[in-house]
Amino acid sequence: QVQLQESGPGLVKPSQTLSLTCTVSGGSISSGTYYWSWIRQPAGKGLEWIGRIYSSGTTNYNPSLKSRVTMSVDTSKNQVSLKMTSVTAADTAVYFCAREVRWGQQLDYWGQGTLVTVSS
Amino acid sequence: DIQMTQSPSTLSASVGDRVTITCRASQSISSWLAWYQQKPGKAPNLLIYKASTLESGVPSRFSGNGSGTEFTLTISSLQPDDFATYYCQQYNSYSTFGQGTKVEIK
Repeated sequence: QVQLQESGPGLVKPSQTLSLTCTVSGGSISSGTYYWSWIRQPAGKGLEWIGRIYSSGTTNYNPSLKSRVTMSVDTSKNQVSLKMTSVTAADTAVYFCAREVRWGQQLDYWGQGTLVTVSS
Repeated sequence: DIQMTQSPSTLSASVGDRVTITCRASQSISSWLAWYQQKPGKAPNLLIYKASTLESGVPSRFSGNGSGTEFTLTISSLQPDDFATYYCQQYNSYSTFGQGTKVEIK
């Protein structure tokens, strides 16, 4: 059974960089056709797709966030990472990582999510 | 950007009711649509993909229909465990979600 676990600082100051890691267990991130996505959800609001990454490092970002987002992969640790620069209070949200069955397909496994608050 | 609009935003229903949620895309997305269920404090759970394919392990009372720009999620007989928020997601171009439909107890 694949499991995903997000981790990282719960509090980030405005203008700084948000950094999160998603650790995958129960399967290799390099196997198959899977992509790994990040999605966020502000409190009481809907879901926003941030972007995706393949084990080769190929990425695809939401155009509205592209200028501030970088994703990376560490196959040796079975981890994918998210960095978002110049954060503001509007970036306060629960951040989820999820497995995408193949490029541009449905999200079949999700992490439990981690709350990131942007505040001084 | 492809915008996804769900209706209604809130739906009040009773156990045993048949309920239908609609999701409209701002342009054609063929059948590249998924539905998720989310309960408070939890991650979304995949119910249906490719508009009408039931994810493994999901009860058969859930069904999806549609193509192009209009899609529906139907729960044939609402169960206590089904009170939750439902989201549609298009994955034809990048990915966008609808704003959600909360199914609450009447």
